[in-house]
Amino acid sequence: DAKTTQPPSMDCAEGRAANLPCNHSTISGNEYVYWYRQIHSQGPQYIIHGLKNNETNEMASLIITEDRKSSTLILPHATLRDTAVYYCIVRVGMSGGSNYKLTFGKGTLLTVNP
Amino acid sequence: NAGVMQNPRHLVRRRGQEARLRCSPVKGHSHVYWYRQLPEEGLKFMVYLQKENIIDESGMPKERFSAEFPKEGPSILRIQQVVRGDSAAYFCASAKGDRGYTEAFFGQGTRLTVV
Repeated sequence: DAKTTQPPSMDCAEGRAANLPCNHSTISGNEYVYWYRQIHSQGPQYIIHGLKNNETNEMASLIITEDRKSSTLILPHATLRDTAVYYCIVRVGMSGGSNYKLTFGKGTLLTVNP
Repeated sequence: NAGVMQNPRHLVRRRGQEARLRCSPVKGHSHVYWYRQLPEEGLKFMVYLQKENIIDESGMPKERFSAEFPKEGPSILRIQQVVRGDSAAYFCASAKGDRGYTEAFFGQGTRLTVV
């Protein structure tokens, strides 16, 4: 799986948009971009994923650059409960074998301040 | 976390005892992953199983650790003769396993403390 680079930490004011960047310059054409987060001591929570088009769901938006070498996770109106470590992961689709696993890096600690 | 159930949530074992951690995947999911998170560290992949098969155990310690996902019942992560260094949070995730892409959903973890 391609490696990702994320800033170790970010701050955001409550109610503002949080924009979390991720670089994945070695991503392959068949690799998806996934975002998970882990709120302190809880299990990781799936947020969103995409291949090349921008995606939006009830939690967040995912913007992937045209060359797919980077992406941005956007939390439109951050709340205190969004304080967590956010992981950007790239992974091939489920084509069989051992490629299904998610490899977590260090992620970005997002702190939402009142 | 979409219905992945792990039990127990907290487990205390004395050194040398066995620890058995259970994971019931989301209904209809046939793929299970186990991860370990040591205190103040990241999530490390341990093993990936499908029903009755171990697909990838590259992250499992060579000794004392084993995992299974039987045809019926939960997936079990078994740690024999536990040592203090096994103290960690163990997370299980499940996925549907269809071709293409699919997200994995995690349970709330089992926190193992070895005393």
